[in-house]
Amino acid sequence: DIQMTQSPSTLSASVGDRVTITCRASQSISSWLAWSQQKPGKAPKLLISKASSLEGGVPSRFSGSGSGTEFTLTISSLQPDDFATYYCQQYNSYPITFGQGTRLEIK
Amino acid sequence: EVQLVESGGGLVQPGGSLTLSCAASGFTFSDHYMAWVRQAPGKGLEWVGRTRDKANTYTTEYAASVKGRFTISRDDSKNSLYLQMNNLKTEDTAVYYCARLSVTAPLYNDYWGQGTLVTVSS
Repeated sequence: DIQMTQSPSTLSASVGDRVTITCRASQSISSWLAWSQQKPGKAPKLLISKASSLEGGVPSRFSGSGSGTEFTLTISSLQPDDFATYYCQQYNSYPITFGQGTRLEIK
Repeated sequence: EVQLVESGGGLVQPGGSLTLSCAASGFTFSDHYMAWVRQAPGKGLEWVGRTRDKANTYTTEYAASVKGRFTISRDDSKNSLYLQMNNLKTEDTAVYYCARLSVTAPLYNDYWGQGTLVTVSS
């Protein structure tokens, strides 16, 4: 199985900050990576697929980049609604595997 | 609006069985592969398995950790997905999520339910 490693595990930031979360794959996954956001007690919500394609309705302050084994999720200007846990998901090969999550908390 | 609503979670003893259900709405259920994903307390997400659609004869795949104990099924007439869990172990304790897979390949989880908690404990 492909191992996905996210960093950092926890990120403290303030409203208005620019933040970046990294996801590394144990082998090349081309651009087959998705990012999801999860709030406590809620369903995960897909933000980005194919490394950089923003899902409909997702604010443009979210962006994704990368290919191969290294990927990033960037939030350009943090809003109060963005404090949540973020997961990457590789779907280059089965089984789908996930990063361990990055908890974004208010500083 | 796509909605996935899980039910059936609860407390079960080791070695016991439980069946989870997922009611889908807001999309053509029969067009999609469907999956179960779980999250143990304080841990990350783990893919449990998936079922293909009718065109692919509803074939299933499972994670090694649950193969032979868990069975995924679906009823397209009821827009429902199921997870039959047998011989449960304490390490199966988790929130179980129903997830829809995209229609474009390669497939990824594009919608999720809110999850149902399964606790395996004596």
